[in-house]
Amino acid sequence: EVQLVQSGGGLVQPGRSLRLACVASGFRFDDFAMHWIRQGPGNGLEWVSSITWNGGSTGYADSVKGRFTISRDNAKNSLYLQMDSLRTEDSAFYFCVKDRTHLIEVASSYFDPWGQGTLVTVSS
Amino acid sequence: IQMTQSPSSLSASVGDRVTITCRASQSISSYLNWYQQRPGKAPRLLIYTTSNLQNGVPSRFSGSGSGTDFTLTINSLQPEDFATYYCQQSYHTPPYTFGQGTKLEMK
Repeated sequence: EVQLVQSGGGLVQPGRSLRLACVASGFRFDDFAMHWIRQGPGNGLEWVSSITWNGGSTGYADSVKGRFTISRDNAKNSLYLQMDSLRTEDSAFYFCVKDRTHLIEVASSYFDPWGQGTLVTVSS
Repeated sequence: IQMTQSPSSLSASVGDRVTITCRASQSISSYLNWYQQRPGKAPRLLIYTTSNLQNGVPSRFSGSGSGTDFTLTINSLQPEDFATYYCQQSYHTPPYTFGQGTKLEMK
């Protein structure tokens, strides 16, 4: 069974940092691009960041560019999101998501499956 | 690319047929995906590339469209179908963009 198990959320003050992690199982992790997608309280879905199968290329939403860093460790079947200079508007559930393909920015891409989500709350 | 869903909410009964519309601000060819999100759960892929049913998704779900206008149809609604539905485009990226969601509620 394909599974994505997330960890690392919590309450953090504005301006501080937090690191999210996602461990994959049930598929060959290094064959697929991965993404982070977030959902604010009562809000819709917002794509945050993407990374190719080998980490060679990444992409970020304008809202997080320069503050968040996506990375992966294929030896550990793990995806990470380093979130620095956090703002109150970054408060959301964050989902780790697998792509259909090994590249990013591919037209035929889709997101499946999704991790269980982890809550990040940025508040003083 | 802006994705606009209509309606934002919809009331229906078990056994009804419902249609949700998604409009893109410019052509996305057929690269439109649909997700279902039940309360307190992560989204789940239903349909990819306009009309392809993901494995395990019941055949009462179907999708159609091309260019800028797309629809998700659910035939014979079941109790487990009451959820929020999102469309998402992958043609003009980054960013990958979602519709604002359509909440399907029981009448």
